[in-house]
Amino acid sequence: DAGVIQSPRHEVTEMGQEVTLRCKPISGHNSLFWYRQTMMRGLELLIYFNNNVPIDDSGMPEDRFSAKMPNASFSTLKIQPSEPRDSAVYFCASSLGTGPDTQYFGPGTRLTVL
Amino acid sequence: DAKTTQPPSMDCAEGRAANLPCNHSTISGNEYVYWYRQIHSQGPQYIIHGLKNNETNEMASLIITEDRKSSTLILPHATLRDTAVYYCIVRVRGSQGNLIFGKGTKLSVKP
Repeated sequence: DAGVIQSPRHEVTEMGQEVTLRCKPISGHNSLFWYRQTMMRGLELLIYFNNNVPIDDSGMPEDRFSAKMPNASFSTLKIQPSEPRDSAVYFCASSLGTGPDTQYFGPGTRLTVL
Repeated sequence: DAKTTQPPSMDCAEGRAANLPCNHSTISGNEYVYWYRQIHSQGPQYIIHGLKNNETNEMASLIITEDRKSSTLILPHATLRDTAVYYCIVRVRGSQGNLIFGKGTKLSVKP
């Protein structure tokens, strides 16, 4: 199994530009999570999906952030317009959604907004 | 989910056992103890979880006290590659939703 796949691994953009982060969860997993990690706030959940449906988006900072999961094998996190304070590492994770519900994390996307 | 308390940092000599403590004094009867770790610049990695019995897998052992108010993660023979931040998380098994990561313990394995 290839594990959770994220792209791009690094993204550098200028303030005001649109940024799209992509995630492919582990095949067969029903839950998908987007986390953000910064030095100041640590790891925090942005949104999670179960069976492609958003269940909890209370962590999404503001309307500039949006996430979609059009099918079981793909999700996007979009920031429009981006701001310097959005600079962080964004992780995608997936889980079976049952049993111990172990979450498996991708390698992350390091976003820098200039 | 119950709150956990971990020391901010620990050192361990390579080849020795690393014992990482976690306090979770408000844990409920149906809450499990999970351990994850994050090696620098990588995503968090699941290590082990348990309810009340001691658990062991290929990565580590988990010792939970009889009153379940604390636990210890044991890496029996630490290597330099075990240098990471270790997170102790308490949550209801099978509950949906996110993992709440605290600040964890920064383990430094030294040669």
